[in-house]
Amino acid sequence: KAGVTQTPRYLIKTRGQQVTLSCSPISGHRSVSWYQQTPGQGLQFLFEYFSETQRNKGNFPGRFSGRQFSNSRSEMNVSTLELGDSALYLCASSLAGVRDYGYTFGSGTRLTVV
Amino acid sequence: KNEVEQSPQNLTAQEGEFITINCSYSVGISALHWLQQHPGGGIVSLFMLSSGKKKHGRLIATINIQEKHSSLHITASHPRDSAVYICAVRKGDNTDKLIFGTGTRLQVFP
Repeated sequence: KAGVTQTPRYLIKTRGQQVTLSCSPISGHRSVSWYQQTPGQGLQFLFEYFSETQRNKGNFPGRFSGRQFSNSRSEMNVSTLELGDSALYLCASSLAGVRDYGYTFGSGTRLTVV
Repeated sequence: KNEVEQSPQNLTAQEGEFITINCSYSVGISALHWLQQHPGGGIVSLFMLSSGKKKHGRLIATINIQEKHSSLHITASHPRDSAVYICAVRKGDNTDKLIFGTGTRLQVFP
């Protein structure tokens, strides 16, 4: 069974540019959540989607946005990139709605802003 | 104060030693997760707990809901166990939002 696929794996962008990251969940998983990991702040929740609806959003500026498609694939977009956006971006998918469900994480996209 | 605290931050052990990593949280939760992250970034979910104790191979995880505390134990540690171990809690049933501890970096030497 295929795992959670994140593309691209690595990305280098310039300040001011925008970027779109993709996450394909495990087949049958309808929930996708996104996280940012930096050395200074650790892992922080960005947002989560369930059945194409954003259920929850973390404490990030409006430059960070996302969406989920009908096939449960999700994208996150960061506009007007800043140096501080350099991070590992991870997504996780789950069955959500099933009691005691767990998560499967993707390998992440490492974004470097120069 | 962080809602999820882990200790220790760093841990060094000799192969074969028994390892304990602790996690305390200050919020109501629906589940607690132990995650493992190797260099390179990939995260593997080790355990999900809402009560009691779970065991998988050499790994044991326990949770005390009343005391808001969980422990991850590694028996007969091995150099391949070297990784960052992260405790994360889910606060409610209708959200996938995880709140993470800062992680424990474990190095096991042969």
